[in-house]
Amino acid sequence: DSGVTQTPKHLITATGQRVTLRCSPRSGDLSVYWYQQSLDQGLQFLIQYYNGEERAKGNILERFSAQQFPDLHSELNLSSLELGDSALYFCASSVTGGPGETQYFGPGTRLLVL
Amino acid sequence: AQSVTQLGSHVSVSEGALVLLRCNYSSSVPPYLFWYVQYPNQGLQLLLKYTSAATLVKGINGFEAEFKKSETSFHLTKPSAHMSDAAEYFCAVRQGAAGNKLTFGGGTRVLVKP
Repeated sequence: DSGVTQTPKHLITATGQRVTLRCSPRSGDLSVYWYQQSLDQGLQFLIQYYNGEERAKGNILERFSAQQFPDLHSELNLSSLELGDSALYFCASSVTGGPGETQYFGPGTRLLVL
Repeated sequence: AQSVTQLGSHVSVSEGALVLLRCNYSSSVPPYLFWYVQYPNQGLQLLLKYTSAATLVKGINGFEAEFKKSETSFHLTKPSAHMSDAAEYFCAVRQGAAGNKLTFGGGTRVLVKP
């Protein structure tokens, strides 16, 4: 158990819909990362937050957005969903976001868009 | 830009045999390198990481990896495979200062034969 929690574990929805994925980082960690894992794209970094502020952005679509709240939990919002958005979405956390720090991964949310 | 190449998407080894998973990276600055393992239906767990200290890094579960700058490699080895090593393994690189994202290789799925 990494100490990172993600809800829900599974999500099934239809094209065009909007969903919210939630992540609680390990106690004491200030930085949160979101990754997408799919069969065709592999593991891709989406976005990073540090203490409520966006720090780095990766291959995140404009239909996707994220935020980190004062209690440090984070939410990833996916809208106008397409079939290709079906994937496993991971949240990770680390203490300050430094490059040598270990990122601890949650169990993921499996999203299926029908 | 940083990138990671893992040679072989699937590796089959016999129980008790050497496990060797190859990882080559490209990075314009000294990198931080990581190996993660993913068991079925689980998140990623850190096996070991290189952060510019010793070039031979020992990790959990008997795994180790050697950083070779001249070969831009960070191969993962375990002297004797166990059935519990069956999983998918990911090599990842992170550049200091230039960004905080982890860039992952495509992964290598290990099958252990009895």
